[in-house]
Amino acid sequence: AQSVAQPEDQVNVAEGNPLTVKCTYSVSGNPYLFWYVQYPNRGLQFLLKYITGDNLVKGSYGFEAEFNKSQTSFHLKKPSALVSDSALYFCAVRPSNTGGFKTIFGAGTRLFVKA
Amino acid sequence: DGGITQSPKYLFRKEGQNVTLSCEQNLNHDAMYWYRQDPGQGLRLIYYSQIVNDFQKGDIAEGYSVSREKKESFPLTVTSAQKNPTAFYLCASSISGEGSYEQYFGPGTRLTVT
Repeated sequence: AQSVAQPEDQVNVAEGNPLTVKCTYSVSGNPYLFWYVQYPNRGLQFLLKYITGDNLVKGSYGFEAEFNKSQTSFHLKKPSALVSDSALYFCAVRPSNTGGFKTIFGAGTRLFVKA
Repeated sequence: DGGITQSPKYLFRKEGQNVTLSCEQNLNHDAMYWYRQDPGQGLRLIYYSQIVNDFQKGDIAEGYSVSREKKESFPLTVTSAQKNPTAFYLCASSISGEGSYEQYFGPGTRLTVT
């Protein structure tokens, strides 16, 4: 079965330190990969996506993500965390060869950045 | 939250009543989606529509119904057959087709059924 795993329910990091939010997936073919962020009682906002090419993708608010095909991972990173980055982060995968429109979301990782 | 609006933000209903959640978009997107979000479970797809007058069931369609009479609108009805309707409901839209298209989400409707 196709799935997306975010192994950490919560990540805690001090402001100014680098952060990583992990994501691994189990999807056949070469899927499209996404990260979204959700602030309390709001909808999700798109951060970045990987289609093809460079394994390091840059997105909004200084976030970037590293694609690793052999490890089927797509970890979200930021060199220096801000308190305002505290939110719920979702990794998502869209299979590229199904002809359908379904996107599979991970369960989410809550990021706490402490001042 | 882009050009997608959902109303109302909070909705309270008694058990046994049907309720309709509104979703409107002005992004000219062909594809629209409804998700349900429960704590610790991520987003689960209820229904999606690729074009007007056409829609498909997602992973948890039982107890829900939708219509797509206009490109801009994709209302979701939560029927009395849905056993656990209390949740946060998110509507989204995207460009249609087999591309790497991200989804744009509305602000959500929190439904509480007692």
